[in-house]
Amino acid sequence: NAGVTQTPKFRILKIGQSMTLQCTQDMNHNYMYWYRQDPGMGLKLIYYSVGAGITDKGEVPNGYNVSRSTTEDFPLRLELAAPSQTSVYFCASSYSGGTKNIQYFGAGTRLSVL
Amino acid sequence: RKEVEQDPGPFNVPEGATVAFNCTYSNSASQSFFWYRQDCRKEPKLLMSVYSSGNEDGRFTAQLNRASQYISLLIRDSKLSDSATYLCVVNRYSGGGADGLTFGKGTHLIIQP
Repeated sequence: NAGVTQTPKFRILKIGQSMTLQCTQDMNHNYMYWYRQDPGMGLKLIYYSVGAGITDKGEVPNGYNVSRSTTEDFPLRLELAAPSQTSVYFCASSYSGGTKNIQYFGAGTRLSVL
Repeated sequence: RKEVEQDPGPFNVPEGATVAFNCTYSNSASQSFFWYRQDCRKEPKLLMSVYSSGNEDGRFTAQLNRASQYISLLIRDSKLSDSATYLCVVNRYSGGGADGLTFGKGTHLIIQP
């Protein structure tokens, strides 16, 4: 059982380049999330989705875009990468929201923008 | 007060000792609470949910004090493998909201042989 799979694991971008971080889950979860974690900081929610075709902004959405065409996949797009986007990015999924919102995380993508 | 506040540590504890962490939260309407564990350079993983009456899972005990708005995690008979960062997570939603989780910055625990 793979759970939540993220690719790539590592990436170095030059300022102004674009890339897509891939996330797929095989648990049939409706809810999916993208977080970033900066050193010594808590996870910050970038975008989330409660089902295919539905996405919403989280706390720090600027500079990112998402799409959710299937239940399984939730890619995160970085346009015009900036050094401030250097971070570790985690994708997560959960069966439901509300009080039973227990999230399962992928292994993360470490991104450096130079 | 920050939304979710934790002592960052590090807590250096000898193997076999008991260690406790606290976490405070600012939103009195918060509805559910969790402890996640994050190993170095790995993803967070759920350690345990925290219930109003307190709950235990093996060597781990979680307590919730709604009046004082804090959550605690107690680890008994600590093992070397308990070395990790422990994240306090608070959910402000009682309904179906998906974006209600707030993650603390974590408490770093080092178990020494």
